[in-house]
Amino acid sequence: DVKVTQSSRYLVKRTGEKVFLECVQDMDHENMFWYRQDPGLGLRLIYFSYDVKMKEKGDIPEGYSVSREKKERFSLILESASTNQTSMYLCASILRGMNTEAFFGQGTRLTVV
Amino acid sequence: DQQVKQNSPSLSVQEGRISILNCDYTNSMFDYFLWYKKYPAEGPTFLISISSIKDKNEDGRFTVFLNKSAKHLSLHIVPSQPGDSAVYFCAANPVTSGTYKYIFGTGTRLKVLA
Repeated sequence: DVKVTQSSRYLVKRTGEKVFLECVQDMDHENMFWYRQDPGLGLRLIYFSYDVKMKEKGDIPEGYSVSREKKERFSLILESASTNQTSMYLCASILRGMNTEAFFGQGTRLTVV
Repeated sequence: DQQVKQNSPSLSVQEGRISILNCDYTNSMFDYFLWYKKYPAEGPTFLISISSIKDKNEDGRFTVFLNKSAKHLSLHIVPSQPGDSAVYFCAANPVTSGTYKYIFGTGTRLKVLA
């Protein structure tokens, strides 16, 4: 079974802090994604990566950056956390190929105070 | 602009009855569709998918129907069970574009009443 693991289930950070969310997958998937989930807004794509050291902006990249130094690891960075970044963050990985589904991690509930 | 829409934020169904969750999309280039189920404080889990060459796909109690002319898909759960209570997201992807940028709907919260 594919396993996508996010480093923390719950995080509380202060406004202005730099925050790192880590995601690791164990199935050699090329594609990795960061989403955030907010009530009434569904899952919105922040950043994604097709390969090591490659990254592309999703629909809501402002205030975030990412890092992919190794194939299995994709990190989301909040440069200076703000209260409007309080959300559920979800990492996903997808195997390259036709008609493949995304596998999600368990999510990180981030609260910025 | 919401390309994938789930117009019903919530749905309540009696145990044993059919649950029908709906999803509409606007982009005619979408050709692969998925349904995910999400429990609180957990990541979404894949349920069932359908490609545009089909109009129906079935897996146990779950059936997805695709109406391409109406740009509409639906998920049927028969019979509904209390454990099916969760938020359901539909997602779409234009496979032929070579990207994997799934576009998700806003979700429908299903409550199955015992």
